Amino acid sequence: GENVEQHPSTLSVQEGDSAVIKCTYSDSASNYFPWYKQELGKGPQLIIDIRSNVGEKKDQRIAVTLNKTAKHFSLHITETQPEDSAVYFCAAVPNTGGFKTIFGAGTRLFVKA
Amino acid sequence: GAGVSQSPSNKVTEKGKDVELRCDPISGHTALYWYRQRLGQGLEFLIYFQGNSAPDKSGLPSDRFSAERTGESVSTLTIQRTQQEDSAVYLCASTSGDSRNNEQFFGPGTRLTVL
Repeated sequence: GENVEQHPSTLSVQEGDSAVIKCTYSDSASNYFPWYKQELGKGPQLIIDIRSNVGEKKDQRIAVTLNKTAKHFSLHITETQPEDSAVYFCAAVPNTGGFKTIFGAGTRLFVKA
Repeated sequence: GAGVSQSPSNKVTEKGKDVELRCDPISGHTALYWYRQRLGQGLEFLIYFQGNSAPDKSGLPSDRFSAERTGESVSTLTIQRTQQEDSAVYLCASTSGDSRNNEQFFGPGTRLTVL
């Protein structure tokens, strides 16, 4: 069935360093890949997304890359700040009927000041 | 403007009881999702509404789970005869349009604890 694997499950970086989170998906028909940030006690919030016709997208300190051949996509956060500490989820939206979004298990990011 | 709201924020119930969880989506958003998030895990899709219809119920884990939506607005997720494994945060999200490729706006969730 459809599956999204996310690594690492926990990531600790020093303030100012970069953080990279990687995901792989199983359904080759997937065509939309959002990333959500979830702070404690809150619902997830979209931070960036990428569609299958694009290989890379950047928004200030955040970038996402997509390799459709390998079915990989990654989130890159540069110049990390303590307020970046949260749980990050990747997701894939299959394009094969149905309306489900498949989420990864999440990465807990700690940014140490 | 107002975001997605959910109520109650916390619900503690005894095994075997029924519970109802409510979601108020962003006004004008035609699509609505329910997800379950177990402790330390990702979001598990439950059901999708377009208007008042649910064209995708494939994530409902058993017939104890049901959901409805009225007035293309409020949605209620009902869990009958709750079990301890139902303990989780239940999240609702809404989105404009009917594309699967739209940003989902999430509510804060309802934390359900089944004793």
